[in-house]
Amino acid sequence: DTGVSQDPRHKITKRGQNVTFRCDPISEHNRLYWYRQTLGQGPEFLTYFQNEAQLEKSRLLSDRFSAERPKGSFSTLEIQRTEQGDSAMYLCASSFSSTFVEQFFGPGTRLTVL
Amino acid sequence: GEDVEQSLFLSVREGDSSVINCTYTDSSSTYLYWYKQEPGAGLQLLTYIFSNMDMKQDQRLTVLLNKKDKHLSLRIADTQTGDSAIYFCAEVYPGGFKTIFGAGTRLFVKA
Repeated sequence: DTGVSQDPRHKITKRGQNVTFRCDPISEHNRLYWYRQTLGQGPEFLTYFQNEAQLEKSRLLSDRFSAERPKGSFSTLEIQRTEQGDSAMYLCASSFSSTFVEQFFGPGTRLTVL
Repeated sequence: GEDVEQSLFLSVREGDSSVINCTYTDSSSTYLYWYKQEPGAGLQLLTYIFSNMDMKQDQRLTVLLNKKDKHLSLRIADTQTGDSAIYFCAEVYPGGFKTIFGAGTRLFVKA
């Protein structure tokens, strides 16, 4: 499978715990995006990388959230001191820089904070 | 502000045409997407239109763009039960990375 993969697919955690999600983009894609999707809503943009550089962060990304893409390939999204409001589907997408930017989405990681 | 709005539900009979509407706010958007999301599956790009176009046709899909009213529509001809899904309209800002999605329109196709 050469699509975008995310791990884990599901995560249940207790409030206050830290969680980390991983995204593996399509190999030749240099852009990587993180989104959050809550029930009944569309994906909300969180952050974006071009290669290893994080170029844009949404104000939705509080201080408890951090994302990295250390070698310009896979990315991690960490949430510290999780809150019940963090429960959502976290989506990763990747694309290749070009005039038309089609983002390819992964299946998502569903986070449930108890 | 940043906002993409869609009607939440649409129900059609199999074989009829479906029209899903969307309004967006940013006139500087470079292009607009329609994505499809089926239960348990990732978002799939259906079609897109550049902001300098008025219409795009792709097999059973027709996208109409009214830039003056910032209105986008997706028409699905001969709707099938397999078209039942959530359809998201999204606008892409200049630079091609920040994408704003609507809340999605849930399409129900009755056999």
